[in-house]
Amino acid sequence: GAVVSQHPSWVICKSGTSVKIECRSLDFQATTMFWYRQFPKQSLMLMATSNEGSKATYEQGVEKDKFLINHASLTLSTLTVTSAHPEDSSFYICSARVEKGAGNTIYFGEGSWLTVV
Amino acid sequence: QKEVEQDPGPLSVPEGAIVSLNCTYSNSAFQYFMWYRQYSRKGPELLMYTYSSGNKEDGRFTAQVDKSSKYISLFIRDSQPSDSATYLCAMSATLGRLYFGRGTQLTVWP
Repeated sequence: GAVVSQHPSWVICKSGTSVKIECRSLDFQATTMFWYRQFPKQSLMLMATSNEGSKATYEQGVEKDKFLINHASLTLSTLTVTSAHPEDSSFYICSARVEKGAGNTIYFGEGSWLTVV
Repeated sequence: QKEVEQDPGPLSVPEGAIVSLNCTYSNSAFQYFMWYRQYSRKGPELLMYTYSSGNKEDGRFTAQVDKSSKYISLFIRDSQPSDSATYLCAMSATLGRLYFGRGTQLTVWP
């Protein structure tokens, strides 16, 4: 199957600082990537859809100025949490759409744990 | 009514049992159906994906989609302790936004 890699796997940052999470498609080109957030024992919550070369589309209630998404190439999307606060501590997961005709599907990265102290 | 309904369990079975997981949905536009396995503190791992109706088998896993009943299933044969995880069904009309079930927590005990 296709491989989606996230980095870092976990990060601790101080309140008020910014942190960047990278999502890479390792063996395919992804025109569309997705960013999710997951709270303990809950399902994934879509934050935004990232399209290569254009602005991301944010879900209702997600602050686009706080969660900056950049999809500058067909293999890389980044999520930057700006001016992080403890309530931003969460598990962030990206996914990428693979388009191979009948094999179209979506793969997820390993996730990134963010702790804001 | 939620778009996708999935019994959260927990489901506990002995090693070697056949596990049946299922989801129902309400949106007839859904065409892409996926099952993901998620271990604690990890991202979801794609197990099976199906386009439209039908069955698909991969090793110990079988996925079934019945669009007429808006019902999808995942069967795990000869379950192993390593299968203990949360199983998420997900579906989409266009492979844009995914709609997830709540996830079923499965424990396979030796």
